[in-house]
Amino acid sequence: AQTVTQSQPEMSVQEAETVTLSCTYDTSESDYYLFWYKQPPSRQMILVIRQEAYKQQNATENRFSVNFQKAAKSFSLKISDSQLGDAAMYFCAYRSAGGANSKLTFGKGITLSVRP
Amino acid sequence: ETGVTQSPTHLIKTRGQQVTLRCSSQSGHNTVSWYQQALGQGPQFIFQYYREEENGRGNFPPRFSGLQFPNYSSELNVNALELDDSALYLCASSLAGRSYNEQFFGPGTRLTVL
Repeated sequence: AQTVTQSQPEMSVQEAETVTLSCTYDTSESDYYLFWYKQPPSRQMILVIRQEAYKQQNATENRFSVNFQKAAKSFSLKISDSQLGDAAMYFCAYRSAGGANSKLTFGKGITLSVRP
Repeated sequence: ETGVTQSPTHLIKTRGQQVTLRCSSQSGHNTVSWYQQALGQGPQFIFQYYREEENGRGNFPPRFSGLQFPNYSSELNVNALELDDSALYLCASSLAGRSYNEQFFGPGTRLTVL
């Protein structure tokens, strides 16, 4: 079974600064997807960024980028130029690429606060 | 394009009762997944429905059951409610058949069991 670990329960960043959120995972599969989801307080969970395991290049979406280390099974999220609207809970998630369904396995999440 | 909607928003039940939660998929989506998110935790996969059939199940007892209708909307039913069933229940819809199918989440139903 796959597991996702987010060991930092909370982090804080100054507005306009850069912050990195950590995630490790465990799997015996070679083909899979990794995701970072954002869940603002009392609002819907939205996809921030995804990474296909077969791609060596790290994914980037505007101010959000990942550092994907497949051998180390590490998948961190970097948020540049942090904004007040980035304050939320962030979840790292795993999905098999070849499975019969699109089940997501989530970590426990990290609460990010942004200081003005 | 209509997003994923869930009803009700909040629900309070007592132990032993039964509850039905509802989810309307995003337009054009044929797959619905349900997740349970306990307070301060990440969502846990309950099950997924594809074309009205259960297509995968997580580590949840049989008292958690579901349905998917021809219009791809879905219900989650929980019988014999327990205190530990108190959680945010999320549904997510997607379009199966592509190499990658993003899941879009609804706002959730907050269930409190007293």
